[in-house]
Amino acid sequence: AQSVTQLGSHVSVSEGALVLLRCNYSSSVPPYLFWYVQYPNQGLQLLLKYTTGATLVKGINGFEAEFKKSETSFHLTKPSAHMSDAAEYFCAVSDMAGANNLFFGTGTRLTVIP
Amino acid sequence: EAQVTQNPRYLITVTGKKLTVTCSQNMNHEYMSWYRQDPGLGLRQIYYSMNVEVTDKGDVPEGYKVSRKEKRNFPLILESPSPNQTSLYFCASRGGGRSEQYFGPGTRLTVT
Repeated sequence: AQSVTQLGSHVSVSEGALVLLRCNYSSSVPPYLFWYVQYPNQGLQLLLKYTTGATLVKGINGFEAEFKKSETSFHLTKPSAHMSDAAEYFCAVSDMAGANNLFFGTGTRLTVIP
Repeated sequence: EAQVTQNPRYLITVTGKKLTVTCSQNMNHEYMSWYRQDPGLGLRQIYYSMNVEVTDKGDVPEGYKVSRKEKRNFPLILESPSPNQTSLYFCASRGGGRSEQYFGPGTRLTVT
C-alpha cells in the first residue's frame, strides 16, 4: 500500500526566499512520485515526477525535487520564491508510472509574502 | 488544445435530487478517473475506467455511479446526493504507458 505525508498544511515564505515543501512517502514497492500544483479555482497541474533514474528531478517554473530512498522523502524546493508561486501543492505516490490511482497527500498551501 | 473539461463548474442541489457531472477529454486517452477533494484529506479516487465499458471502484465509491460508453466521456452520477457528498470533484485522464494524469478544472458541488 502507498501513502504520502506532507508536513505543514500551510507554509509562508518571503518573496525571493527558499521554498521547501516536505513530502514523505510509504510504499511496499519502488515508488513513483509526483508533485502537483493547484492554483486558485483551477485543476491540478503536474510540476514534476520521479519514475526511475536520476534522483534529482527538475520540473516547471524552477521547481525541483530529490528522491531520497533512505529517508523515504521527496521534498520540493525552489531557490527563490515568486509571488506567482502562491498555490496549493500536492505530493502523490503510485506503484507504477502510469498507475490508475495516485495516492495524494493532504496538500500544503504556500503563501508568498511580498 | 489538449484538455479535460467538466460541467457544470459549480452546482448547488438538494438532498436526493439526482445529478450528473460530465467529463470529456480530447486526447484519446484510455484511462479516466474521478476524484473528490476535501479539506485536510487531499484527493481521493472515486472510480476509474481503463477503457470503454470497463470501470472499477476507487477508494471512496459509495454513493456514486459512472459509465464509459464513449472513450472521450466519463460522467459521474449521484443517484441520491447527500450533504456528505459536498465536495470539489476532479476528473482526470491519461494515455497508456508512463503518461501522467491530466486533470479537469473541477466541479464544486454543494448538497443541502
